[in-house]
Amino acid sequence: AQSVAQPEDQVNVAEGNPLTVKCTYSVSGNPYLFWYVQYPNRGLQFLLKYITGDNLVKGSYGFEAEFNKSQTSFHLKKPSALVSDSALYFCAVRDMRDDKIIFGKGTRLHILP
Amino acid sequence: EAQVTQNPRYLITVTGKKLTVTCSQNMNHEYMSWYRQDPGLGLRQIYYSMNVEVTDKGDVPEGYKVSRKEKRNFPLILESPSPNQTSLYFCASSNRGRGGGGAEAFFGQGTRLTVV
Repeated sequence: AQSVAQPEDQVNVAEGNPLTVKCTYSVSGNPYLFWYVQYPNRGLQFLLKYITGDNLVKGSYGFEAEFNKSQTSFHLKKPSALVSDSALYFCAVRDMRDDKIIFGKGTRLHILP
Repeated sequence: EAQVTQNPRYLITVTGKKLTVTCSQNMNHEYMSWYRQDPGLGLRQIYYSMNVEVTDKGDVPEGYKVSRKEKRNFPLILESPSPNQTSLYFCASSNRGRGGGGAEAFFGQGTRLTVV
């Protein structure tokens, strides 16, 4: 069965520094991978996705993610963090065999002023 | 405006009193799903639906029912709610992944349910 792991419950980064939020996945076949962000008292918002092609995908709000097939990872990155990036981030995988979308447990990102 | 609408946003109920949380999408999506979000557990899938009259269990289906009689609606039914179903619930919809470009999901604003 497919699964997603986000090994860090919380990540703290100083404003202006680069940030990375980690995600690893397990799925049979080719994965579709996603990142979502959740602000307080809001639903999840789509940030970016990897389907095929270039391993570095760019998304909303200056975020990008790097797909690494050999390490089965899809880490979320941003070159320079903003305080407004503080939120809960979810990695997700979609298995093309059954079309289910499975989420990781989430990583809370704190950007320190 | 493309959106997924859940109602109610907040609900406090008593143990055993049947309730329904509605979910509607206006994007003609085939795929719809319900999740519950609990601290430390992330988002767990309750049920999902690939199309009208096609539903399947997710990872935590016990105590829940769903129906998909129309493409746009996917209500979540708790026949006899219990306190362990106190949670934040999200409905989501998307195009099918295969052939849909690995379509991303759109989420409703959430329903915070408290069962006392």
